[in-house]
Amino acid sequence: QQQVKQSPQSLIVQKGGIPIINCAYENTAFDYFPWYQQFPGKGPALLIAIRPDVSEKKEGRFTISFNKSAKQFSLHIMDSQPGDSATYFCAATSGTYKYIFGTGTRLKVLA
Amino acid sequence: DSGVTQTPKHLITATGQRVTLRCSPRSGDLSVYWYQQSLDQGLQFLIQYYNGEERAKGNILERFSAQQFPDLHSELNLSSLELGDSALYFCASSSGLVLFFGPGTRLTVL
Repeated sequence: QQQVKQSPQSLIVQKGGIPIINCAYENTAFDYFPWYQQFPGKGPALLIAIRPDVSEKKEGRFTISFNKSAKQFSLHIMDSQPGDSATYFCAATSGTYKYIFGTGTRLKVLA
Repeated sequence: DSGVTQTPKHLITATGQRVTLRCSPRSGDLSVYWYQQSLDQGLQFLIQYYNGEERAKGNILERFSAQQFPDLHSELNLSSLELGDSALYFCASSSGLVLFFGPGTRLTVL
């Protein structure tokens, strides 16, 4: 119940493509679902996050889609750029629970 | 810059040794988290402290221990080191739901 399953493990897209990364959770106590972006040699940084009371959230070219009944959420990157090449982690937590991360997706956007 | 500092940046040591990693959280953040990231692996949650008290524990080995001091900085102690302990160790701090990660300490055990 503590796991967050993330797929795919790696992804290669052409510039302008729309990579999609998926995550699934089991624990219904989770009520905050962030995505973190990590560049090589750096610590992860918050990219975008969603609460389960909405089904979609957009910030610039990044969109989270959330399906509460399926206990799944995904990250879409519109008009992807080479600068988006990084490792992306989904996560889940609640105010009083552990902060659990997915296994990460290594994204490469080709110029 | 997240405002979280970690020292040292790199650490090279031998099997069987003991090391201490240090983390200073962002000003005002009471929570400190420690994560281990092995090569091409995800972020494994080790332990969380809140205002000096242990709040949650993950897959932290018995050879590892941590503490948070009254000034809120935290230390992660790794003892009887094994080759498999080589990894990036991240500290993160928060005052809400967003984690702010430090730059990490890269530990190499030879």
